[in-house]
Amino acid sequence: DTGVSQDPRHKITKRGQNVTFRCDPISEHNRLYWYRQTLGQGPEFLTYFQNEAQLEKSRLLSDRFSAERPKGSFSTLEIQRTEQGDSAMYLCASSFSGTRGETQYFGPGTRLLVL
Amino acid sequence: GNSVTQMEGPVTLSEEAFLTINCTYTATGYPSLFWYVQYPGEGLQLLLKATKADDKGSNKGFEATYRKETTSFHLEKGSVQVSDSAVYFCAPIYNQGGKLIFGQGTELSVKP
Repeated sequence: DTGVSQDPRHKITKRGQNVTFRCDPISEHNRLYWYRQTLGQGPEFLTYFQNEAQLEKSRLLSDRFSAERPKGSFSTLEIQRTEQGDSAMYLCASSFSGTRGETQYFGPGTRLLVL
Repeated sequence: GNSVTQMEGPVTLSEEAFLTINCTYTATGYPSLFWYVQYPGEGLQLLLKATKADDKGSNKGFEATYRKETTSFHLEKGSVQVSDSAVYFCAPIYNQGGKLIFGQGTELSVKP
């Protein structure tokens, strides 16, 4: 049973460039979450999908951010016109819906540095 | 909005010392409660969870009890090891299938 995987693990880009991250959830999981974690802080929620439907978006997710999960499997998170403030670790998690207290399993994260 | 407050770190203990990391959450609704751990250079891992009042979650010698009357979910371990050095996050979920709301994390350093 493979866990949640994310690609790339590290990304360095220049301000103003676009970047795209990919997340592959655990295969039977129907829910997929994106979080952002800055140094010394806890992760902050960005958005989540149930199957291919995007059910909730945080106010943190400005119009430069877009996420998709086209076939209800992997997901992509794109940041357009990156800014230095976007530098952070981007975490993906997945879970299987159904019971109270369902556990979200996290991937290793993609660390973004915007120069 | 809903929030969670954790004890500030860093916490430095000697091996075999008793550990408590305090966590309190806002009382809106009836959340499920989680503790996640982040070891150096690794991703977030679930440590334990509890879904209803008076439930006790436990794993790897760590325990936490869901206290609805005090809106708390304090993490405890009777005897810490150097390998427990990590950052610990308390996180409630208020809606089934919804987002985890993380505290700021508490860094634990255990010295031999």
